[in-house]
Amino acid sequence: DAGVIQSPRHEVTEMGQEVTLRCKPISGHNSLFWYRQTMMRGLELLIYFNNNVPIDDSGMPEDRFSAKMPNASFSTLKIQPSEPRDSAVYFCASSLGGSRGAEAFFGQGTRLTVV
Amino acid sequence: AQSVTQLDSQVPVFEEAPVELRCNYSSSVSVYLFWYVQYPNQGLQLLLKYLSGSTLVKGINGFEAEFNKSQTSFHLRKPSVHISDTAEYFCAVTRSGSARQLTFGSGTQLTVLP
Repeated sequence: DAGVIQSPRHEVTEMGQEVTLRCKPISGHNSLFWYRQTMMRGLELLIYFNNNVPIDDSGMPEDRFSAKMPNASFSTLKIQPSEPRDSAVYFCASSLGGSRGAEAFFGQGTRLTVV
Repeated sequence: AQSVTQLDSQVPVFEEAPVELRCNYSSSVSVYLFWYVQYPNQGLQLLLKYLSGSTLVKGINGFEAEFNKSQTSFHLRKPSVHISDTAEYFCAVTRSGSARQLTFGSGTQLTVLP
């Protein structure tokens, strides 16, 4: 398996623009996570899906952020409108679930810069 | 809810010396524990995990960790480090049982000096 695939790897956008980050989880995994990493706040969970259903979105910063998982093999994280403080590395991760698959497998991340 | 404290933000060590990276957790329920490594401009890679059973867990690249329930700790150790071990290391915890999100510590930057 190719692992968790995220695109794009880098995104530079202007303040106010819409940004869409994409993630393809590992085939067969039923849990998907979006994390954000910054120097100031470290790794923060934004949202967590189980079987394509959002379970916990308490980490989503505000209404500008939205996430979808239309099927088991694809998820998006959208920021509209983007702001400079959204600049960070965004990671997608997936896991099998249960005690067998408790660990999360991470993608390479998308480095977002909002200018 | 669970939380993780990594006591050292930076650990410099000379090549071939032993190293210990400290991790303490807080939880009112039983947990699973993990150590991840992040190399520059890359994602996180699992080093090792504790789910149950033996409290001494061996992982990749010669790392091991010991789960101590009474001290709520899960310290990472390596007897002899290499330059290539320079990276950021994250301890993480999740509630045991069905899959849930990982809660991460703030990370420890390990720098191996020649």
